[in-house]
Amino acid sequence: EIVLTQSPATLSLSPGERATLSCRASQSVSSYLAWYQQKPGQAPRLLIYDASNRATGIPARFSGSGSGTDFTLTISSLEPEDFAVYYCQQRSNWPRFTFGPGTKVDIK
Amino acid sequence: QVQLVESGGGLVKPGGSLRLSCAASGFTFSDYYMSWIRQAPGKGLEWVSYISSSGSTIYYADSVKGRFTISRDNAKNSLYLQMNSLRAEDTAVYYCARDIEMIPSGYFQHWGQGTLVTVSS
Repeated sequence: EIVLTQSPATLSLSPGERATLSCRASQSVSSYLAWYQQKPGQAPRLLIYDASNRATGIPARFSGSGSGTDFTLTISSLEPEDFAVYYCQQRSNWPRFTFGPGTKVDIK
Repeated sequence: QVQLVESGGGLVKPGGSLRLSCAASGFTFSDYYMSWIRQAPGKGLEWVSYISSSGSTIYYADSVKGRFTISRDNAKNSLYLQMNSLRAEDTAVYYCARDIEMIPSGYFQHWGQGTLVTVSS
């Protein structure tokens, strides 16, 4: 099983600041990595797939990068609605899809 | 627009059974792979099962293999999860989710609102 580790566990920032979230895989997943956003009481929302492709309707302030074992989700300037939990997910080890434990972005 | 609506959750005793349903609309259901993904209270996401568009190919997480059965009825635009021999650790919100595109991608773009399954005596 491919284990995904996310850091930090919690990121405390103010609106307008830049957020940088990390996801590390226990072995290479090539570029087969996605990022999801989840707000309390809601289902997850796909933001990024194949490491750097924004899903339909996702604002340009969200960007993804990385390949192999190290990946980054960047939110260029935090909007009030961006405070949420973010998960990474790999689909490289088909079909043993796994998710990371999440990074909570909260308001400083 | 794409809509997925789960139902069938509830309280069940350990060892019991439950059948979840997911009603799909807003897209051609028979064209897409579908999944069940769960989230224990206050925890992260866990992929449970994946079924091909025709229903001929099915995958399960090791944690549910032999106990859960995924199925679909394309004529009824519905996805199902039959859960047997339930354990306390199966307690979670269960989401149905649709792949991002018609070829199987393993990325989940559309999700239902979830249905809560609680396994407790």
